[in-house]
Amino acid sequence: GENVEQHPSTLSVQEGDSAVIKCTYSDSASNYFPWYKQELGKGPQLIIDIRSNVGEKKDQRIAVTLNKTAKHFSLHITETQPEDSAVYFCAALSGGSYIPTFGRGTSLIVHP
Amino acid sequence: KAGVTQTPRYLIKTRGQQVTLSCSPISGHRSVSWYQQTPGQGLQFLFEYFSETQRNKGNFPGRFSGRQFSNSRSEMNVSTLELGDSALYLCASNTGQKNEKLFFGSGTQLSVL
Repeated sequence: GENVEQHPSTLSVQEGDSAVIKCTYSDSASNYFPWYKQELGKGPQLIIDIRSNVGEKKDQRIAVTLNKTAKHFSLHITETQPEDSAVYFCAALSGGSYIPTFGRGTSLIVHP
Repeated sequence: KAGVTQTPRYLIKTRGQQVTLSCSPISGHRSVSWYQQTPGQGLQFLFEYFSETQRNKGNFPGRFSGRQFSNSRSEMNVSTLELGDSALYLCASNTGQKNEKLFFGSGTQLSVL
């Protein structure tokens, strides 16, 4: 089955800095890669996603890049703000599956 | 549109007891998935129900079970609770067509003493 590795497990940055979270996947059939943000006391919320036919996608301060050859994808957050502090999960979904495989999460801490 | 609702938010049980958790999906969504979240293991998939049928199942023991009703609401049950069952239980709803975009509830925090 699919295996998703996520790094780092914890990331601490100063407000205004950029943050990058990286994930690798094992199943070459995976074609959909969502990112979820989980704030304290809440469930994960989808913040951005990318499909395998696209190399990069941006939405204001967040962007995701995908390298199919290397089987890795990354989340980039620019101009970080304290409200970006949360746990971020990457996931991969194969076209033949209904169940995404999640990474173990990255705790992002943005210091004011 | 109302989001995914999970009840109760908190539960405290003792070993050996059983517990039932409830999840009401977004209106129109026919798929409900359940996840166990613990600090060390991240999000572990339990099972998924679509149109009242279990469509997918994770690697959890038979003590964990679920069901889905005709209105798409779902319940999960854990029998003979163990200390290691202490976790945040999340449900996620989706239209059921591809399960690409999951909408999560806020979860039920279960503590087993």
